Amino acid sequence: DVKVTQSSRYLVKRTGEKVFLECVQDMDHENMFWYRQDPGLGLRLIYFSYDVKMKEKGDIPEGYSVSREKKERFSLILESASTNQTSMYLCASSSPWGTSNEQFFGPGTRLTVL
Amino acid sequence: GQQLNQSPQSMFIQEGEDVSMNCTSSSIFNTWLWYKQEPGEGPVLLIALYKAGELTSNGRLTAQFGITRKDSFLNISASIPSDVGIYFCAPKTGNQFYFGTGTSLTVIP
Repeated sequence: DVKVTQSSRYLVKRTGEKVFLECVQDMDHENMFWYRQDPGLGLRLIYFSYDVKMKEKGDIPEGYSVSREKKERFSLILESASTNQTSMYLCASSSPWGTSNEQFFGPGTRLTVL
Repeated sequence: GQQLNQSPQSMFIQEGEDVSMNCTSSSIFNTWLWYKQEPGEGPVLLIALYKAGELTSNGRLTAQFGITRKDSFLNISASIPSDVGIYFCAPKTGNQFYFGTGTSLTVIP
């Protein structure tokens, strides 16, 4: 059974803290993605990665950075958390090969910044 | 950037009713996907469409890829309580996925 796991389901942090959100996939996928989900705005792409040590900015990268040191792991970093980063964060992975177009999502991390 | 409009934003329906939702875009896409997100979970793929005009069914779900390649709809027939969730259209080009704002569906038993 394919799986994308995220390190925490719920997280509460204080303004100014450095926050790490971890994502691991067991499908040997090249592509990994970080989204944030807010009511009425759908899923917005923060960063994505097509390979180890590669990263590309998505639509809303400001205030975030990412790290991909191993193929299976993609980390989202909030350098100095702010209250407007309170949101649901979703990680996803996909394969660029073959006919499959599916993105597989993790269960999400609901982050609250106080 | 891509302009993607998904409607309706939310629906409250009686069990047994049919449901229809759609997405329109200002851009042409080669693939349209539909995802469902249940409460507390990540989105899961329901249906994938690869050709303009394609009509695909998955059980009670039917989706179509618009002939202009700029739109798609999803229908759910005879809704049941477990259909509750948020439905997203997700057109794709290359390795880039785009997501609609979602349709929140509530089914009243």
